[in-house]
Amino acid sequence: DAGITQSPRHKVTETGTPVTLRCHQTENHRYMYWYRQDPGHGLRLIHYSYGVKDTDKGEVSDGYSVSRSKTEDFLLTLESATSSQTSVYFCAISDVGLTNEKLFFGSGTQLSVL
Amino acid sequence: AQKITQTQPGMFVQEKEAVTLDCTYDTSDPSYGLFWYKQPSSGEMIFLIYQGSYDQQNATEGRYSLNFQKARKSANLVISASQLGDSAMYFCAMRLIQGAQKLVFGQGTRLTINP
Repeated sequence: DAGITQSPRHKVTETGTPVTLRCHQTENHRYMYWYRQDPGHGLRLIHYSYGVKDTDKGEVSDGYSVSRSKTEDFLLTLESATSSQTSVYFCAISDVGLTNEKLFFGSGTQLSVL
Repeated sequence: AQKITQTQPGMFVQEKEAVTLDCTYDTSDPSYGLFWYKQPSSGEMIFLIYQGSYDQQNATEGRYSLNFQKARKSANLVISASQLGDSAMYFCAMRLIQGAQKLVFGQGTRLTINP
């Protein structure tokens, strides 16, 4: 199994509070991604990173920011959490150059915003 | 822009039967990869199979095969001899080979295998 660790695994917070989710990898892969999963929507890309300090927006980036100060860590921050951000969040990693490379996923973080 | 469509929200199949899960995609880029993932009730995402847009043959991985019809932009997953353990959510996904390499997912199909 790929070395990906998401923390925390579960989080309950209140509306308006900041929240940071962490994704840590031991594979030295270049690409890292944050997805959210909601019923009926599959997995939707929030932000992704293609290198240290190189990030870009996905399809549902509003209300989220990310940072990647070193290869192994990719942080997702909800500046002011809202109930619509209650979801399961997945981190994924992949490497470059192999056309058949698959994404490796973390175990997910269940976030509840009350 | 990339788009993946899975039109079957749920499917029910008898054990040992073959099952086909539909997936259509849309992209104007000629270079892309198509993926299928399985998500059991435990929540983890499990890679099943990959098909490259330039691959001449349909991909196979054990009981899984991908019925790739490029002209119709479809990439259906076929599971032969279904088992109870195949009950799960199944996601089709696509990634462009060049550029940002974002993996875009469909909405998923919930497969239930009945004994």
